[in-house]
Amino acid sequence: AQTVTQSQPEMSVQEAETVTLSCTYDTSESDYYLFWYKQPPSRQMILVIRQEAYKQQNATENRFSVNFQKAAKSFSLKISDSQLGDAAMYFCAYRSATGGYQKVTFGTGTKLQVIP
Amino acid sequence: DAGVTQSPTHLIKTRGQQVTLRCSPKSGHDTVSWYQQALGQGPQFIFQYYEEEERQRGNFPDRFSGHQFPNYSSELNVNALLLGDSALYLCASSARYNTYEQYFGPGTRLTVT
Repeated sequence: AQTVTQSQPEMSVQEAETVTLSCTYDTSESDYYLFWYKQPPSRQMILVIRQEAYKQQNATENRFSVNFQKAAKSFSLKISDSQLGDAAMYFCAYRSATGGYQKVTFGTGTKLQVIP
Repeated sequence: DAGVTQSPTHLIKTRGQQVTLRCSPKSGHDTVSWYQQALGQGPQFIFQYYEEEERQRGNFPDRFSGHQFPNYSSELNVNALLLGDSALYLCASSARYNTYEQYFGPGTRLTVT
């Protein structure tokens, strides 16, 4: 079974600064997807960024980028120019790319605080 | 275009009772997954429905059951409620052959007293 580990329960960053959230995962599969989701106090889970394991290039979405190290099974999220609206719970997640079913395995989350 | 909708928003039940939660997927989506998110934890996969059948199930007892209707909407039923069932229940929808994204609803907060 796949597992996702987020070792940082809480992180804080100064507004406009850069912060990196860590995630490691365990799997025996070679083809999979990795995601970072954001869950603000409103509870709506929002997809921030995704990475296909077969792609060597790290994904980037505006101020959000990842550092994907497949051999190390590491998938960190970097938030640049942090904004107050970035404050939320961030979840790292895994989904197998084999088969058509789309169960997603989540980590325990990192609570990000943005300090004005 | 409405996204994923869930009802009700909040629900309070007593131990031993039964509850039904509802989910309408995003337009164009045909697959619905349910997750349980305990306070301070990440979501845990309950099960997934496609073509009105349960296709995959997580490590949840038979007290948790579901249904998918021909219009792709779905229900989650929980029987014989326990205090430990108190959680946020999230519904996520996706297209069967879109391997990228699941869109989540805002969730139903269930409190069991």
